[in-house]
Amino acid sequence: DTEVTQTPKHLVMGMTNKKSLKCEQHMGHRAMYWYKQKAKKPPELMFVYSYEKLSINESVPSRFSPECPNSSLLNLHLHALQPEDSALYLCASSPRTSQEKLFFGSGTQLSVL
Amino acid sequence: GESVGLHLPTLSVQEGDNSIINCAYSNSASDYFIWYKQESGKGPQFIIDIRSNMDKRQGQRVTVLLNKTVKHLSLQIAATQPGDSAVYFCAENTGGGANSKLTFGKGITLSVRP
Repeated sequence: DTEVTQTPKHLVMGMTNKKSLKCEQHMGHRAMYWYKQKAKKPPELMFVYSYEKLSINESVPSRFSPECPNSSLLNLHLHALQPEDSALYLCASSPRTSQEKLFFGSGTQLSVL
Repeated sequence: GESVGLHLPTLSVQEGDNSIINCAYSNSASDYFIWYKQESGKGPQFIIDIRSNMDKRQGQRVTVLLNKTVKHLSLQIAATQPGDSAVYFCAENTGGGANSKLTFGKGITLSVRP
């Protein structure tokens, strides 16, 4: 299995809603990532988990809360988002913690109304 | 500041021709470079990588060239096919291990004409 699976593929939420994005990989990778991508822009790093511990937080607002329940799963909890948070949220994993050879999921297209 | 950029925002090529996508980087400390392909509705897909101790690396139909003197990276695609139509990102990695930082370039759209 060489895939990173993300659910849901699309999500529409209001500014008062609470929702969660989910990511799963079964490649035995020890690093997992959340990226945010706006249309026609490169991905921007949000969080990095290494060996299930948060190792990098790129000054992301607290309305985004990551969670790594085990080595295969990565969640992103969303609360009180703003319309400008609408974007494609990408999960990725890599065999090593050096951010080399990232394997990306197809992303969750999020719209905040 | 340090940045990774691309010379052209779009590239249109005839099917069967070779494509060359260029990328400039400014961080001389970068030691690892990657090309990603992103098709519509999908996440970026790893294409090929190269370390700073090499100047050329070949894959299946793709070749990456690295010129550290002028801080230039290029991706060559041989016999371009319609399935190659996508946005291509170069990325540079600086540091190592848990201190590594991956920076993506702006992206270039490759459009293949039938």
